[in-house]
Amino acid sequence: DAKTTQPTSMDCAEGRAANLPCNHSTISGNEYVYWYRQIHSQGPQYIIHGLKNNETNEMASLIITEDRKSSTLILPHATLRDTAVYYCIVSTNAGKSTFGDGTTLTVKP
Amino acid sequence: DAGVIQSPRHEVTEMGQEVTLRCKPISGHDYLFWYRQTMMRGLELLIYFNNNVPIDDSGMPEDRFSAKMPNASFSTLKIQPSEPRDSAVYFCASRATGTAEAFFGQGTRLTVV
Repeated sequence: DAKTTQPTSMDCAEGRAANLPCNHSTISGNEYVYWYRQIHSQGPQYIIHGLKNNETNEMASLIITEDRKSSTLILPHATLRDTAVYYCIVSTNAGKSTFGDGTTLTVKP
Repeated sequence: DAGVIQSPRHEVTEMGQEVTLRCKPISGHDYLFWYRQTMMRGLELLIYFNNNVPIDDSGMPEDRFSAKMPNASFSTLKIQPSEPRDSAVYFCASRATGTAEAFFGQGTRLTVV
């Protein structure tokens, strides 16, 4: 699986959009980009995934660059409950990956 | 469905003892994954099964660790003998073929003293 690079931490004001970047310059053509988050000590929770097109669901949007070497997860209106560690994973098989260090997002009032 | 169920939630054991962690995947899911999370190494994939068959165990740290999946609704991760460095949170996850979402259990916090 391709390696990913994410910032260690980010802050966001409550109600504002949170934009979490991820670099995956060695991604292969058949690898998907997955985003998970882990709130406190709970098990990770799936957020969204994509191959090359931008994706949106009820939780977030995923923007993948045309060359697929980077992506951005967007939480459109962050709430305090969105404070968590966010993991960007690149893999051909959802779940078959070791998670990196992720980005600790802190949403502030 | 109740989700992925792991037991016990917490386990404290003495060094040298055998430890068995249990996981019940979501019904109908044919992939099962075992992960370990520590501060030092993050969330690591240990092993995963497809249709009860171990597919990749390259993440299993050493021979003291073993995992089985005797049927579609049950899996175990065993450590024998346990060591203090095995202290971690162990997660089990399951997924259905053709879907992207892996569902994680609440984890088992293992402390080896």
